[in-house]
Amino acid sequence: DGGITQSPKYLFRKEGQNVTLSCEQNLNHDAMYWYRQDPGQGLRLIYYSQIVNDFQKGDIAEGYSVSREKKESFPLTVTSAQKNPTAFYLCASSISAAGGTDTQYFGPGTRLTVL
Amino acid sequence: KNQVEQSPQSLIILEGKNCTLQCNYTVSPFSNLRWYKQDTGRGPVSLTIMTFSENTKSNGRYTATLDADTKQSSLHITASQLSDSASYICVVSAPRTDSWGKLQFGAGTQVVVTP
Repeated sequence: DGGITQSPKYLFRKEGQNVTLSCEQNLNHDAMYWYRQDPGQGLRLIYYSQIVNDFQKGDIAEGYSVSREKKESFPLTVTSAQKNPTAFYLCASSISAAGGTDTQYFGPGTRLTVL
Repeated sequence: KNQVEQSPQSLIILEGKNCTLQCNYTVSPFSNLRWYKQDTGRGPVSLTIMTFSENTKSNGRYTATLDADTKQSSLHITASQLSDSASYICVVSAPRTDSWGKLQFGAGTQVVVTP
């Protein structure tokens, strides 16, 4: 898992609630990413950030929001607008986002369950 | 349609035996291909990375091969150990477009090594 931490490891949410997943890295990486993993599917990109105070939507951004106020932190908020939020969420970082040549290092993940 | 297809979905092998996992991709143009290992409930960890000009790359008992002409890659595990039980994910990167190179993830092959 390198120098990337995610918290909490398990999270339970009631329908209609917003929840925020934490992601912190001490690798001095510029780029950070949020992915969602569902059984039988490949990882899908939610949001990514190439630099502080900048972020871009990925393939499945609807119902999610992020911020990048500090280089080392990239929190993800799952809003009530996300209709099927139960999943395993992975945060990753890389030196840069250039060309996909930089290896992405993943955190240990947060499993979110909607009750 | 997923641009990275992996087979088999799952396999069970006896400890000490060898196995080979397959990855077919349609991503074009292609920058590099990675294999990741993901233990249950953890984040993926990079095993190998190959550019289009490389045919093979080893990491201990793991050997990845690449045929860029047929767009196929394989991951061979030699003398399997119980700790090899995990999901193995093939990830293909396209060259840099706009400001970054997007990764395409396969759904993974679940490997179970039994005593």
